Amino acid sequence: DGGITQSPKYLFRKEGQNVTLSCEQNLNHDAMYWYRQDPGQGLRLIYYSQIVNDFQKGDIAEGYSVSREKKESFPLTVTSAQKNPTAFYLCASRRLAGVSYEQYFGPGTRLTVT
Amino acid sequence: SQQGEEDPQALSIQEGENATMNCSYKTSINNLQWYRQNSGRGLVHLILIRSNEREKHSGRLRVTLDTSKKSSSLLITASRAADTASYFCATVGGSNYKLTFGKGTLLTVNP
Repeated sequence: DGGITQSPKYLFRKEGQNVTLSCEQNLNHDAMYWYRQDPGQGLRLIYYSQIVNDFQKGDIAEGYSVSREKKESFPLTVTSAQKNPTAFYLCASRRLAGVSYEQYFGPGTRLTVT
Repeated sequence: SQQGEEDPQALSIQEGENATMNCSYKTSINNLQWYRQNSGRGLVHLILIRSNEREKHSGRLRVTLDTSKKSSSLLITASRAADTASYFCATVGGSNYKLTFGKGTLLTVNP
């Protein structure tokens, strides 16, 4: 059963703590992405990676960090430097070969920081 | 930065009616995609239209693209209650692999 998994579905943290969100895919996709979604808003790109051990900042990377040690995994750490971390976080992936630009999304993690 | 802007922000219709959502964008694109998001869930890809295409169909979906006006529309025919969701347009520009999303249209289909 191929797809993208994100865990946990809901996450609660105290202010000042770092927290890591998991994203795993078994689609053999090259590229992986992290987005943030706030209520009533579209998605904003945090980080993306097109190859193992390489990643680029998106539009709102400040306060976040990522790693891509394996093709299947792209964890996102929300650090204490992120001013407004409470949001819905979505991970996505896509093939880079061919002409398909379609991204496949995970179910999301809702992070609440108090 | 968000490139696509959907219009309207919210749309409420009766089951069986058609729903039309519009998207405008600012810079040149390679392709434009539409995604659906059910409340609290991930996004699902619906359809992609390339910059050299003007119209595309997929089941009850019809997408048009007017690159001279930098706009696209998504038509859902014979809507069903299960079509209730938020719909987003997303653009890909040049060789850039990034998707840039609009803020979405919330569609409510009343039974």
